[in-house]
Amino acid sequence: GAGVSQTPSNKVTEKGKYVELRCDPISGHTALYWYRQSLGQGPEFLIYFQGTGAADDSGLPNDRFFAVRPEGSVSTLKIQRTERGDSAVYLCASSPTPGSSYNEQFFGPGTRLTVL
Amino acid sequence: ILNVEQSPQSLHVQEGDSTNFTCSFPSSNFYALHWYRWETAKSPEALFVMTLNGDEKKKGRISATLNTKEGYSYLYIKGSQPEDSATYLCAPYTDKLIFGTGTRLQVFP
Repeated sequence: GAGVSQTPSNKVTEKGKYVELRCDPISGHTALYWYRQSLGQGPEFLIYFQGTGAADDSGLPNDRFFAVRPEGSVSTLKIQRTERGDSAVYLCASSPTPGSSYNEQFFGPGTRLTVL
Repeated sequence: ILNVEQSPQSLHVQEGDSTNFTCSFPSSNFYALHWYRWETAKSPEALFVMTLNGDEKKKGRISATLNTKEGYSYLYIKGSQPEDSATYLCAPYTDKLIFGTGTRLQVFP
């Protein structure tokens, strides 16, 4: 079966530009998570969706970052006025059971964002 | 903020060697401990979800233990193979997964 997919796999942009990163979760998974992995760090939580709504967006670093999941499946992470410090691998994960500590999360391969 | 530490940062072993690494975290305020394996150019993949003090999980040559009272988990790999080369991440779950920085393992033939 299809796993979590993310597009694009690589994105190079210039400082100040707007970017959108897309995540297609496993069909039927209600929970969706975004993480960011900067060089030398572990993945860092950004936002969690339960269905269409953002249940926890406490990890978004500032108001340049925004994410949507309008139909409860595909999600888009949007970054405005990109900065060099936004360069990282952005990971998406989905899970069949929302907010459960016991269920594994299924990760996509990530989008590597480079801001020049 | 939960501080999750993993050691060593990196490890190089010969094929056939057994190895282990550590994940340590504050002993209170979490519900489960997840281990993930992340091979280069692939997606992170769940290895274990551990929930109870004294919990022990095993999958083939890989096993893990959890001590919730003292706040640590060990991951063991018996008879390492080149295909075990990956970064191994641990993540306590509070109301979200909090990842450590990982242990990068390289197994040489």
